[in-house]
Amino acid sequence: SQTIHQWPATLVQPVGSPLSLECTVEGTSNPNLYWYRQAAGRGLQLLFYSVGIGQISSEVPQNLSASRPQDRQFILSSKKLLLSDSGFYLCAWSPKGLAGGVEFFGPGTRLTVL
Amino acid sequence: GESVGLHLPTLSVQEGDNSIINCAYSNSASDYFIWYKQESGKGPQFIIDIRSNMDKRQGQRVTVLLNKTVKHLSLQIAATQPGDSAVYFCAELNNAGNMLTFGGGTRLMVKP
Repeated sequence: SQTIHQWPATLVQPVGSPLSLECTVEGTSNPNLYWYRQAAGRGLQLLFYSVGIGQISSEVPQNLSASRPQDRQFILSSKKLLLSDSGFYLCAWSPKGLAGGVEFFGPGTRLTVL
Repeated sequence: GESVGLHLPTLSVQEGDNSIINCAYSNSASDYFIWYKQESGKGPQFIIDIRSNMDKRQGQRVTVLLNKTVKHLSLQIAATQPGDSAVYFCAELNNAGNMLTFGGGTRLMVKP
């Protein structure tokens, strides 16, 4: 069966520090991968999605970036965090083709920028 | 999604009552819809889906209704339980079939 992992689970970082959040998927190959952010008590904001290694599409211009160095690894980064980067970061994957559509979410990373 | 910046509306129901959560979607060409449940501090989980060639689909204690005429989707939960307390999101699949657009979400609170 497929599983999706995110780490760390929680993170407290000072303003101006760098960020690296990691997401890995097991049990599937060539998935679509997604990064979402969720502010407290609010909806889901799509940040990036990827259809393959090295292929990243950005949905919202900001100081975050994403990379996909391996088929089942998706990384969210920032060189300098802002207070407004605080939130709950969710990674998701979906299969391609006829089985596509449903996105399966990871457990999330709660980021607090102080 | 366009409702990302808004606080979540809340539906409060008594334990044992039925709950109905509503969602309006924007793309009349969408042919696949999903409901997700998100418990506090966790990622959203798939509950039930429906394709546009159907207007109703039932699961265990949940039913999704689709009205394509008015672009409306609803999730009905029978005999709501405390464990149903969560935020519920609807989502529609884009025409390319590779991305979901999420609704703003509804918080369901179940009173014992």
